[in-house]
Amino acid sequence: ETGVTQSPTHLIKTRGQQVTLRCSSQSGHNTVSWYQQALGQGPQFIFQYYREEENGRGNFPPRFSGLQFPNYSSELNVNALELDDSALYLCASSLESLTMGEQYFGPGTRLTVT
Amino acid sequence: GDSVTQMEGPVTLSEEAFLTINCTYTATGYPSLFWYVQYPGEGLQLLLKATKADDKGSNKGFEATYRKETTSFHLEKGSVQVSDSAVYFCARLKAAGNKLTFGGGTRVLVKP
Repeated sequence: ETGVTQSPTHLIKTRGQQVTLRCSSQSGHNTVSWYQQALGQGPQFIFQYYREEENGRGNFPPRFSGLQFPNYSSELNVNALELDDSALYLCASSLESLTMGEQYFGPGTRLTVT
Repeated sequence: GDSVTQMEGPVTLSEEAFLTINCTYTATGYPSLFWYVQYPGEGLQLLLKATKADDKGSNKGFEATYRKETTSFHLEKGSVQVSDSAVYFCARLKAAGNKLTFGGGTRVLVKP
């Protein structure tokens, strides 16, 4: 059973650019959540996808958007990058939205915006 | 709103010492409570959880009890090892909710 994988591992972008981060959920999991973890802080919930539909959103602007595909993998897109978007982006998968607490996290994508 | 407050680190201990990391949460709703651990260079791993008042979660020698009267979920381990060096996050999940709210994390460093 493969765990949650994310790509790329590291990424450097310039302010104003757009970025796409990818996540493959653990086998059989149909729910994916994305978090932003700034340096030295706890993860902040961005949004969740359940069976390809957005199922809740945190306090992030619309330039943060996402997708979930039929195989339950997911993308996080960020437009018009700002310096404050520099962070570790974590993806987590779970089996059903109601058991969200038992999430399995990927290793993250480290995004640096210059 | 929902929030979780943890003691700030770093916490530096010698091997076999007793570890306590304090965590308090806002009492809105009837949340489930969790401790996650993040080892260097890795993602978060669920360490333990408790879903209702007076529940005790335990795993790998760590324990935490859901205390409704003090809105706390302190993490304890009786004898730490160097391999326990990591960042520990307390988190809450609102009942019937879909969002985990994390504390700021506590870095623990165990020296041989």
